[in-house]
Amino acid sequence: IAGITQAPTSQILAAGRRMTLRCTQDMRHNAMYWYRQDLGLGLRLIHYSNTAGTTGKGEVPDGYSVSRANTDDFPLTLASAVPSQTSVYFCASSDNSEGGLTGELFFGEGSRLTVL
Amino acid sequence: GQNIDQPTEMTATEGAIVQINCTYQTSGFNGLFWYQQHAGEAPTFLSYNVLDGLEEKGRFSSFLSRSKGYSYLLLKELQMKDSASYLCAAMDSNYQLIWGAGTKLIIKP
Repeated sequence: IAGITQAPTSQILAAGRRMTLRCTQDMRHNAMYWYRQDLGLGLRLIHYSNTAGTTGKGEVPDGYSVSRANTDDFPLTLASAVPSQTSVYFCASSDNSEGGLTGELFFGEGSRLTVL
Repeated sequence: GQNIDQPTEMTATEGAIVQINCTYQTSGFNGLFWYQQHAGEAPTFLSYNVLDGLEEKGRFSSFLSRSKGYSYLLLKELQMKDSASYLCAAMDSNYQLIWGAGTKLIIKP
């Protein structure tokens, strides 16, 4: 089934631990995104990648890093987790043209992360 | 700054019509999106408006007024499955999406 797969779906993590959230898409979309969603707030962009080999910072990048070694995979790493990173994380992809978003975003099912 | 405003929560009756409003302020504008998000699930695309006017898609319609920085999502013949959050997002001049906090729509029988 085509789409975006995120793993894990849920994780409880001790503060200070390193954590990588995985995201894989099979739609050959060139752009990928990581968002966090917190109660009462809109989706906030953490990092994005317009094409394989390039990444950019979003609205709330501190404490997170990403890589885009190929078209399909876009992992998000928390180097040293803190309680404020407790959130639901969504990976998304889109088929951008000329560097801009020209179509809808396709979202993964989300990863619920709790940092204690 | 950039900002999206939409009501936090709305309640409507099954079979009725509901309009969810969204106002936006962005640096430049490249279109407005509406997404539906059921509790515990991922957002899914509903509509995209870049020109003024009404776009109809089945029971759902979306309206845009660029001069007023205003959009609405109109849901007709409401069904219980329409209970969800509806997210408004405006695309700025850098093609980045600015998201509202979402409107939780509660449908009552």
